[in-house]
Amino acid sequence: KAGVTQTPRYLIKTRGQQVTLSCSPISGHRSVSWYQQTPGQGLQFLFEYFSETQRNKGNFPGRFSGRQFSNSRSEMNVSTLELGDSALYLCASSNAGYNEQFFGPGTRLTVL
Amino acid sequence: AQRVTQPEKLLSVFKGAPVELKCNYSYSGSPELFWYVQYSRQRLQLLLRHISRESIKGFTADLNKGETSFHLKKPFAQEEDSAMYYCALKGSGDDKIIFGKGTRLHILP
Repeated sequence: KAGVTQTPRYLIKTRGQQVTLSCSPISGHRSVSWYQQTPGQGLQFLFEYFSETQRNKGNFPGRFSGRQFSNSRSEMNVSTLELGDSALYLCASSNAGYNEQFFGPGTRLTVL
Repeated sequence: AQRVTQPEKLLSVFKGAPVELKCNYSYSGSPELFWYVQYSRQRLQLLLRHISRESIKGFTADLNKGETSFHLKKPFAQEEDSAMYYCALKGSGDDKIIFGKGTRLHILP
């Protein structure tokens, strides 16, 4: 099975812009979670989607949003980018009920 | 609130010496605990989970509910164990997984 894929792998944006990141889960996985990874804070949970519904949400401002499509692919959007949004954004998929999360390679976002 | 604490940001251990990566958690119910590992230039991946009770790459972890801990141990460190290790918790009936901030394990030759 192909692993979790994320596009793009690298992004450079300027403050105030918005960005959309994409994640394709492992075939058959219906749960997709998003994390922000930074050296200081480690992995912070953003949100989790299952069957096109957001089931869980972390403590991030409303500028961070996401969605999931009927084929389980997911996107996350960050509006009005701030310097502090520079991070590696990881997507993980799982097979409902199994709990192990399979991670993608991440999208490295740099905000200038 | 769910919380996972890894008190050490960096742990340096000589090759052949025992390794213990600490993880403490805060959760009122019965959680599932995991250890994830990220080797240099590789994806984050599951190392082991407490319900499996298995040893992976020589690592073991025992869930101690009394001390709310899930420390990762290996009796003899190897150079290839150098990596970033994350402890994670999943609450019962909840698909959200909370990660600790991670511990970088550096094995010295």
